[in-house]
Amino acid sequence: DAGVIQSPRHEVTEMGQEVTLRCKPISGHDYLFWYRQTMMRGLELLIYFNNNVPIDDSGMPEDRFSAKMPNASFSTLKIQPSEPRDSAVYFCASSLERGRPGNTEAFFGQGTRLTVV
Amino acid sequence: AQSVTQLDSQVPVFEEAPVELRCNYSSSVSVYLFWYVQYPNQGLQLLLKYLSGSTLVKGINGFEAEFNKSQTSFHLRKPSVHISDTAEYFCAVSDYKLIFGSGTRLLVRP
Repeated sequence: DAGVIQSPRHEVTEMGQEVTLRCKPISGHDYLFWYRQTMMRGLELLIYFNNNVPIDDSGMPEDRFSAKMPNASFSTLKIQPSEPRDSAVYFCASSLERGRPGNTEAFFGQGTRLTVV
Repeated sequence: AQSVTQLDSQVPVFEEAPVELRCNYSSSVSVYLFWYVQYPNQGLQLLLKYLSGSTLVKGINGFEAEFNKSQTSFHLRKPSVHISDTAEYFCAVSDYKLIFGSGTRLLVRP
């Protein structure tokens, strides 16, 4: 398997524009996570899905952020409208639950470095 | 709520010296604990994990960690570091989701 695939790797956009980040999880994994990494706040969990259903979106900063998982092999994180403070590296990760939730590792993509100017 | 505290933001060490990166956790339930490593411009990669059983866990690249329930700690150790170990290291606790600490930057000097 190629691992978790994120696109694009880099995105530069102007304030106010819509940004869509994409993620393809590892085939067969049933959990998908979106994280944001910044120097100030470290790694923050934004939202996670189980079997394509959003379970916890309490980390989504505001209504400008939305995430979808239309099927088991694809997820998007959308920011509309984007602001300079959204600049960060966004990671997607997936995992396969075996037994009790949380007892298996999450596999991370390479991340998307977003710059909003 | 679960949380993780990494006490050191940066740890400088000379090559071939031992190193310990500290991690303390807070959890009201049984925990799963992880250490991840992040090399520059890369995603996170699992170093090791504690799920149950032996409190001494061995991982990749010669790293190991010890789970100490009484001290709520899960410190990462390596007896002799290499230049290539320079990276950011994250401790994490998991129930349904991974909660990460703030990270420790290990800087290995020649």
